[in-house]
Amino acid sequence: DGGITQSPKYLFRKEGQNVTLSCEQNLNHDAMYWYRQDPGQGLRLIYYSQIVNDFQKGDIAEGYSVSREKKESFPLTVTSAQKNPTAFYLCASRSVANTGELFFGEGSRLTVL
Amino acid sequence: GQQVMQIPQYQHVQEGEDFTTYCNSSTTLSNIQWYKQRPGGHPVFLIQLVKSGEVKKQKRLTFQFGEAKKNSSLHITATQTTDVGTYFCAGLSGNTPLVFGKGTRLSVIA
Repeated sequence: DGGITQSPKYLFRKEGQNVTLSCEQNLNHDAMYWYRQDPGQGLRLIYYSQIVNDFQKGDIAEGYSVSREKKESFPLTVTSAQKNPTAFYLCASRSVANTGELFFGEGSRLTVL
Repeated sequence: GQQVMQIPQYQHVQEGEDFTTYCNSSTTLSNIQWYKQRPGGHPVFLIQLVKSGEVKKQKRLTFQFGEAKKNSSLHITATQTTDVGTYFCAGLSGNTPLVFGKGTRLSVIA
């Protein structure tokens, strides 16, 4: 089945450790996105990529990094510089940037102890 | 930058009552999308509106895009327990990525 796979679903880390969240899609979509969701805050854009080997900062990119070496993959690293990393992280993709619906993965819930 | 405001933040209704959530953008939108997120789940696309004044229906759900393309609404007639979740609007303006509202969390009391 086509879709977006995020892993891990739940992750616990100690403060000061970098964490990488995986996002893989087999929908042949060009554009991929990372959102952060906090209670009452909606979805805030961290990074997005419209084509391979290119990505742009979203509204809250500080403390995060990404790469887009393959069309199917868009991993997100939460670095130790992110001051409040505990959150629900959602990866999404769409066929072409800035048009059409977003398809979301099931999310990764990161808790930093 | 572009902002999308959504109200109310929470809504509790008795089953069978109607429900409406409203979305307002600080800029004119090229289109607006609506998503639903069930508790513990991920957002799922419901619909996209593109034309000024457009109204679309999906069974008990009615979506409307304002004449000025700066506001939108989602109305649910006769809510059911299956309607529980958070409803998000998301606006697209120019070449910027979608901007999401903070969502309206709907609770339905049976």
